[in-house]
Amino acid sequence: DAGVIQSPRHEVTEMGQEVTLRCKPISGHDYLFWYRQTMMRGLELLIYFNNNVPIDDSGMPEDRFSAKMPNASFSTLKIQPSEPRDSAVYFCASSLGPQPQHFGDGTRLSIL
Amino acid sequence: DAKTTQPPSMDCAEGRAANLPCNHSTISGNEYVYWYRQIHSQGPQYIIHGLKNNETNEMASLIITEDRKSSTLILPHATLRDTAVYYCIVRSQNDYKLSFGAGTTVTVRA
Repeated sequence: DAGVIQSPRHEVTEMGQEVTLRCKPISGHDYLFWYRQTMMRGLELLIYFNNNVPIDDSGMPEDRFSAKMPNASFSTLKIQPSEPRDSAVYFCASSLGPQPQHFGDGTRLSIL
Repeated sequence: DAKTTQPPSMDCAEGRAANLPCNHSTISGNEYVYWYRQIHSQGPQYIIHGLKNNETNEMASLIITEDRKSSTLILPHATLRDTAVYYCIVRSQNDYKLSFGAGTTVTVRA
């Protein structure tokens, strides 16, 4: 069975550039989550969706970050403009209702 | 606010059982105990969860004390591939947020 698929796996770009991270959740799952992991702050939830609708975006750091879910099989997390402090590993996860969340292998983002 | 307390690290011999403790003294009656692990360069992987009864699956066993203030994750026969950071998390079924703490770094040695 295909798990959560994230792309790209690695992204290196210069500050000020727009960055788009992509996620394909597990088919049939109705919840989608975006997390960020850094050494300083650990794993933290940024935003989550239910049936393509954002439910809680209180973890989104600032207006430079935006997330969309245009359909049940695709979501994006966009950073514009990017800054060096956005460097982190970004994970996407999905779940069926309150069942355990399943994570992708993440996108390692480096902003120079 | 941390809801769980775990030792920062522990070592385990390959082939032996690994017992990972977790304290959650402020757990509410409707909160479950979840365990995830994160192997280097991978996303967190769900292991097991329980409410008050002990649980077992193909990966591990979860023992929850009667007062539910602590629990132990048991890896029955640790292998080198079990080396990872293990996270103990409490959440209610209607709270979709997973709050990851620092976890326990488990190193399985040959």
